[in-house]
Amino acid sequence: QVQLQESGPGLVKPSQTLSLTCTVSGGSISSGGYYWSWIRQHPGKGLEWIGYIYYSGSTYYNPSLKSLVTISVGTSKNQFSLKLSSVTAADTAVYYCARGYSGSYLEVYFDYWGQGTLVTVSS
Amino acid sequence: SYELTQPPSVSVSPGQTARITCSGDALPKKYAYWYQQKSGQAPVLVIYEDSKRPSGIPERFSGSSSGTMATLSVSGAQVEDEADYYCYSTDSSGNHRVFGGGTKLTVL
Repeated sequence: QVQLQESGPGLVKPSQTLSLTCTVSGGSISSGGYYWSWIRQHPGKGLEWIGYIYYSGSTYYNPSLKSLVTISVGTSKNQFSLKLSSVTAADTAVYYCARGYSGSYLEVYFDYWGQGTLVTVSS
Repeated sequence: SYELTQPPSVSVSPGQTARITCSGDALPKKYAYWYQQKSGQAPVLVIYEDSKRPSGIPERFSGSSSGTMATLSVSGAQVEDEADYYCYSTDSSGNHRVFGGGTKLTVL
């Protein structure tokens, strides 16, 4: 059973960089075939896909966030990370990491999710 | 940018069938996926590729898609099915991964 767990600061100052790490257990992120993903949910709102990294290292980002987002594989095994630069209060949200699976017609959907971590942007 | 449109809320009595719709221009060519999110919890996949049910999801959950509309049905809805439900899909180019705005299902 794959499990994912987000970690990182719960409070970030405006204009700084938000950094989160996702630790995966029950499977290797380098084993192939999956898209390691970040999704966020603003308080009381819906879900927003941020982006994902394929096991090969290729990245895919939400066009609306692309200039501010970096997703990378962590230096420690079985971790991947999210960096969101120049944050504002509008980036306050619960951030989820998830495993993306490529099904029929290579469409990616998210089959395992972490529990999410709330990040507040405030001075 | 691409959008998926859902009704904000759906309400049924226990035992009735709840139907939640999701409309999007690319749905004739792209699959719809459905997620259930209970209060304070992470989303859970309940339907993938329009109508397939992951293991462990009760048979009362089913999905269909026709034209620009996908539908999630909960047959014999139970109080425990109260949750927010989100559809998910991509635009025709495959570049925009989008969730619908979510539908709050009330069973009472």
